[in-house]
Amino acid sequence: DVKVTQSSRYLVKRTGEKVFLECVQDMDHENMFWYRQDPGLGLRLIYFSYDVKMKEKGDIPEGYSVSREKKERFSLILESASTNQTSMYLCASSLPSEQFFGPGTRLTVL
Amino acid sequence: GENVEQHPSTLSVQEGDSAVIKCTYSDSASNYFPWYKQELGKGPQLIIDIRSNVGEKKDQRIAVTLNKTAKHFSLHITETQPEDSAVYFCAASAYGQNFVFGPGTRLSVLP
Repeated sequence: DVKVTQSSRYLVKRTGEKVFLECVQDMDHENMFWYRQDPGLGLRLIYFSYDVKMKEKGDIPEGYSVSREKKERFSLILESASTNQTSMYLCASSLPSEQFFGPGTRLTVL
Repeated sequence: GENVEQHPSTLSVQEGDSAVIKCTYSDSASNYFPWYKQELGKGPQLIIDIRSNVGEKKDQRIAVTLNKTAKHFSLHITETQPEDSAVYFCAASAYGQNFVFGPGTRLSVLP
């Protein structure tokens, strides 16, 4: 079974803090994705990566950056957290087609 | 770019009845259409998918149909059970690249 794990289920941070969200997959997938999920807006793509050290902006990259130093790990970074970044963050990895999600990190920025 | 619409946003059915959720997409290049089920507090889980070279796919009580000409696809759940209650998302993708998701449908199965 594919397993995608995320470092935290719940996280509370203060405005202006630097926040790291970690995602690890164990199936040697090339593709990895970060989404945020907000009520009524569905899943919106923040960043994605099709290979190590490769990254592409998604639909809403502003305020975020990513790092992919190893194939199995894809990190989402909030350089200076703001209250409008309070959300559920979902990591996913995929084969050429099927996409598998982690359990999500619910981030609250105070 | 791709745009995916999904209806209805909420759906309530009696246990044992069928449920149908419909999605439309805009990009004719999309060729892969997965459906996800998200239970409370969990990440979305892939439940069924269909590729553009197939018109229908079935897996036990779940089926998906695709009309490429009209650019719409639907999820059908028969003999619904309380454990089917969840939020369901459709998505469209071209060759497993950019996935675009619908806004979700909250399905409630009433006992």
